[in-house]
Amino acid sequence: ELKVEQNPLFLSMQEGKNYTIYCNYSTTSDRLYWYRQDPGKSLESLFVLLSNGAVKQEGRLMASLDTKARLSTLHITAAVHDLSATYFCAVDPFNNDMRFGAGTRLTVKP
Amino acid sequence: GAGVSQSPSNKVTEKGKDVELRCDPISGHTALYWYRQSLGQGLEFLIYFQGNSAPDKSGLPSDRFSAERTGGSVSTLTIQRTQQEDSAVYLCASSPTGLFTDTQYFGPGTRLTVL
Repeated sequence: ELKVEQNPLFLSMQEGKNYTIYCNYSTTSDRLYWYRQDPGKSLESLFVLLSNGAVKQEGRLMASLDTKARLSTLHITAAVHDLSATYFCAVDPFNNDMRFGAGTRLTVKP
Repeated sequence: GAGVSQSPSNKVTEKGKDVELRCDPISGHTALYWYRQSLGQGLEFLIYFQGNSAPDKSGLPSDRFSAERTGGSVSTLTIQRTQQEDSAVYLCASSPTGLFTDTQYFGPGTRLTVL
């Protein structure tokens, strides 16, 4: 059974600090997605990673994909309060059958 | 420009009733996706459309669920004989082209509560 595991599930960090969220998955997939969800809101697509070694950056967030290790990371640089949200990763191993992780709830404190 | 819209925003229904949830994608977007989010199951992918066609319906939770898309635009997700476990937020997204390789744009969701 395909499993997508994120860790940590809860992350509280101070502004200005760096941290990494990890997304492990249990079967081969060349496609991985990161989403953001603000409390009570819908999803926002952050990154689509389509190949081994893919790296994408947007502002203080950088995502990477290692398909051999079945691992994606979402790195946060110099966190600010506006980054507080829940972050989900998802994989699509069987073409158009997405599976989501449980989400990482990030709180950035002043 | 207008984003993805969904209606109703909230729906409360009684167990056993049928419900229809509507999604209006961004104009010109070829692909349309349905997801649901619940406390018990988290985020789940339900179905996607490429144009009017849904190549794979295996993500639908049961045969009480069906979806259609007409004219390459509006989509309707229908749940028959609703059950309490159907209570969730149903999210719709659209993307310009292609199958999960584009950025997806999400609607605000429909919160379904089955009493």
